[in-house]
Amino acid sequence: TQLLEQSPQFLSIQEGENLTVYCNSSSVFSSLQWYRQEPGEGPVLLVTVVTGGEVKKLKRLTFQFGDARKDSSLHITAAQPGDTGLYLCAGGMGNTPLVFGKGTRLSVIA
Amino acid sequence: GAVVSQHPSRVICKSGTSVKIECRSLDFQATTMFWYRQFPKQSLMLMATSNEGSKATYEQGVEKDKFLINHASLTLSTLTVTSAHPEDSSFYICSARPPASTDTQYFGPGTRLTVL
Repeated sequence: TQLLEQSPQFLSIQEGENLTVYCNSSSVFSSLQWYRQEPGEGPVLLVTVVTGGEVKKLKRLTFQFGDARKDSSLHITAAQPGDTGLYLCAGGMGNTPLVFGKGTRLSVIA
Repeated sequence: GAVVSQHPSRVICKSGTSVKIECRSLDFQATTMFWYRQFPKQSLMLMATSNEGSKATYEQGVEKDKFLINHASLTLSTLTVTSAHPEDSSFYICSARPPASTDTQYFGPGTRLTVL
């Protein structure tokens, strides 16, 4: 069974602070996706990374895929209250269902 | 981007009745769709993989006779919760995988089921 360990599970920070969320596994993934979910809604895809060492930026969000494609991180710069939500990482291994981490519940306080 | 819809968004039913939830891929064809269940403040739990034109693959511990899945076309999968009980109350989310992507899944907005 592939496992994705996501940390931290909860994070409460002040507006303007930086934060990093980590996803780690002993398994190699062909891709890693990051989703953001708000209460009562479905997860929304933020990014897909597929190449070891790949870095993608989405405004204040920076996503990195580890060289060995076993881990990934999400860094948010100058967090805003609108960043509040549940962040989920998910590993893909081809034509099998995604393996999800347990999620990081982020709260950004104004 | 790829759009997936779900209907209904909320449903309240009496214990013992059956409820059907629809999942549609609006701008792409999806040979594979997935059904998840999400408990409050938790991550997604995969229930089953729905394959167009064939039987669904259920995860361990999910009763296939209780959660009936039909993927009759390349844009529609349905989940029917049969003889619903209060413990079936949950947030059900579907996702669809575009044919050009082996990994990426796009999610629907979810259906909140409440069984009285």
